[in-house]
Amino acid sequence: KQEVTQIPAALSVPEGENLVLNCSFTDSAIYNLQWFRQDPGKGLTSLLLIQSSQREQTSGRLNASLDKSSGRSTLYIAASQPGDSATYLCAVRPLIKAAGNKLTFGGGTRVLVKP
Amino acid sequence: GAGVSQTPSNKVTEKGKYVELRCDPISGHTALYWYRQSLGQGPEFLIYFQGTGAADDSGLPNDRFFAVRPEGSVSTLKIQRTERGDSAVYLCASSSGTGASYTFGSGTRLTVV
Repeated sequence: KQEVTQIPAALSVPEGENLVLNCSFTDSAIYNLQWFRQDPGKGLTSLLLIQSSQREQTSGRLNASLDKSSGRSTLYIAASQPGDSATYLCAVRPLIKAAGNKLTFGGGTRVLVKP
Repeated sequence: GAGVSQTPSNKVTEKGKYVELRCDPISGHTALYWYRQSLGQGPEFLIYFQGTGAADDSGLPNDRFFAVRPEGSVSTLKIQRTERGDSAVYLCASSSGTGASYTFGSGTRLTVV
């Protein structure tokens, strides 16, 4: 059974620092990995999607890397801003069709960027 | 529509009552998913539709939970004899196909008192 872990559970940094969020998964047979942002009381917003054949994806100040063999992904957010304060979730989709298309989520990292 | 719409946004019900939660996916998205998120945790899978049929319902916790998607668009999640442990945010997502990213709705916050 796939398990996804995100450490730390919470992170507080001063504005301008770079953020490093970690995600690990136990089963490397994944189809893709997706990073989401969730604001309090809101749904999830997709940030980056990395296919299993890719090693990284970039969008603006965000960069996500994927090391499938070691079961790890890292989300980097450069020059953090107070508006980056939110919970960040990673989720993996299984490779094997029999396992379905469901995503397995980590517990999230709650980020606070202090002005 | 432009995004995934979920109604109601909040629902308070008494223990033992029946509730229906609605999801209106992005037009043309054939895949639709229901997840449940408890406070401080990541979402947990409930059920996945491909078209009108439930392709995977392995996440439904028990037979009090049921979902339909009769015309391959709007889906309804139905919970019978609600219990306090059913209190959570119920999230719906849709996707254009395998490998495509998910788009989530804002969720329905269900509180059973």
